[in-house]
Amino acid sequence: NAGVTQTPKFRILKIGQSMTLQCAQDMNHNYMYWYRQDPGMGLKLIYYSVGAGITDKGEVPNGYNVSRSTTEDFPLRLELAAPSQTSVYFCASSHDPDYGYTFGSGTRLTVV
Amino acid sequence: KQEVTQIPAALSVPEGENLVLNCSFTDSAIYNLQWFRQDPGKGLTSLLLIQSSQREQTSGRLNASLDKSSGRSTLYIAASQPGDSATYLCAVVTGNQFYFGTGTSLTVIP
Repeated sequence: NAGVTQTPKFRILKIGQSMTLQCAQDMNHNYMYWYRQDPGMGLKLIYYSVGAGITDKGEVPNGYNVSRSTTEDFPLRLELAAPSQTSVYFCASSHDPDYGYTFGSGTRLTVV
Repeated sequence: KQEVTQIPAALSVPEGENLVLNCSFTDSAIYNLQWFRQDPGKGLTSLLLIQSSQREQTSGRLNASLDKSSGRSTLYIAASQPGDSATYLCAVVTGNQFYFGTGTSLTVIP
C-alpha cells in the first residue's frame, strides 16, 4: 500500500503565483486533512474533509482552498502565494478519527 | 479551543538512559491521544494511540499513559538509543480535529 502520497516534495513559488499541492490516499479513508508546520509552532489545521463532496475550514484556512471530488484525492490550492505561506504542508487521512491517522511525507514550500 | 503543550522543548540524554516526555492539554473532552515521531525533513510516524477510555499503551520500549481528568499524557522511552533521536509530537483529537503540541526534540548521545 502506498498510504498517503503527497506531491511535489519541494516547490519554490514567486509571490502572487498559484499552485496546487496534491494528496492521494489508497486506503479508502473518508477523513482527510491538510496541516501546515512552521518552525517552533507545531502543526496547524488548514482544511479537512469527512467525505467526498464535504470540506470544512480548520484553524488557518485563509489563502487556501480545497476540493474533495473523490474519496482518494484532496488537493490544496494556493491562489496568490505570499511569503507567509512558506511552510511544510502535511496531508493526513483516517478511516475513523478514534483509531488514529496516517500522514504523508510532506511538501516543503518556499514563497519568495 | 484546545491547547496542547509539550515539556521540555528539547532534551539531551546519554545512551541507555530511561526518559519521560510530557504532554498536557486544556480540554479533557478528547476522543484519543496519539504520539508521533518526526525525523528531520521527514513526515510523521505514528508511535502509539491511546483511546479516551484507555489509560496506557505499550509498544516495545515505548509506553504512553493518559490521564484525561488532569489533561496529561506521558511517553516513557526505556533504554534510549541514538536511533531514538528525533522530535516527538503528541496530538489530541477533539471533534473532527487534531491538535498538536510543538514537540520535544530528543537527542540521545552515544
